Amino acid sequence: EAGVAQSPRYKIIEKRQSVAFWCNPISGHATLYWYQQILGQGPKLLIQFQNNGVVDDSQLPKDRFSAERLKGVDSTLKIQPAKLEDSAVYLCASSLYSSGANVLTFGAGSRLTVL
Amino acid sequence: QKEVEQNSGPLSVPEGAIASLNCTYSDRGSQSFFWYRQYSGKSPELIMSIYSNGDKEDGRFTAQLNKASQYVSLLIRDSQPSDSATYLCAPYPSQGNLIFGKGTKLSVKP
Repeated sequence: EAGVAQSPRYKIIEKRQSVAFWCNPISGHATLYWYQQILGQGPKLLIQFQNNGVVDDSQLPKDRFSAERLKGVDSTLKIQPAKLEDSAVYLCASSLYSSGANVLTFGAGSRLTVL
Repeated sequence: QKEVEQNSGPLSVPEGAIASLNCTYSDRGSQSFFWYRQYSGKSPELIMSIYSNGDKEDGRFTAQLNKASQYVSLLIRDSQPSDSATYLCAPYPSQGNLIFGKGTKLSVKP
C-alpha cells in the first residue's frame, strides 16, 4: 500500500510570510493528524481530523495556524504569518481508527525554516 | 498536564550488547503504549506496542510495562549499528491523543 504523502519536503521562508503544507493519507485511513516536531523534541499534536471533521485542535495556535481536510481525504496545513519559532518539521500521520490501540503511520515530513 | 519522561541520552552501547531504554508517564489511565524509532532526518516508525503488564517480545526487541509504577521500557538485544536512532516513547492517555516523549538517542558502536 502507498504510504502517507507530504509536500513540499523543504521550505524556507522569511518571518511574516505564509506557507502551506499538503498531506495525502493512506487510502482508507479515516483519521489524519498534523504534528509539529521541533529539533530535539518529540512530535507535538497540532490537529486531528476524523474524516473531514476536527476531533482535537487544542494545541493548534489558531491565530496563525489553520488546517482543513476537505472531502475527508487530503489535508492542508497553513501558517500565516510565520514566526521564527515555527521552524520545525511538520509531520502528517494517518490511522484507521481514532483512539485506543491506534497505530499511526507517518509521512516523510515537511521541514520548515523561518528566517 | 500529562507528561512523558525519557532520558535524552545519548545512550552509547557496543555492538552486540543490550540497550535499555526507559520511559515514565504521568497519566495513570494510560492503557496503550507505543515505541517509535526515528532515524536522523526521517519520520517516526512504530516498532513495538504493549497493552498489558509484563513483557512482550518481538525479535530482538522486548517491551516491558509496569502500570503500577507508570513505567515502560524497551530492551534491544544484540544491538547493531543500524539500531542507532532516537527512540520515542508514546503512551495513549485516558483522554486525548498519543503523547510523545522527547526520545532517547541510542548510538551503537561497532
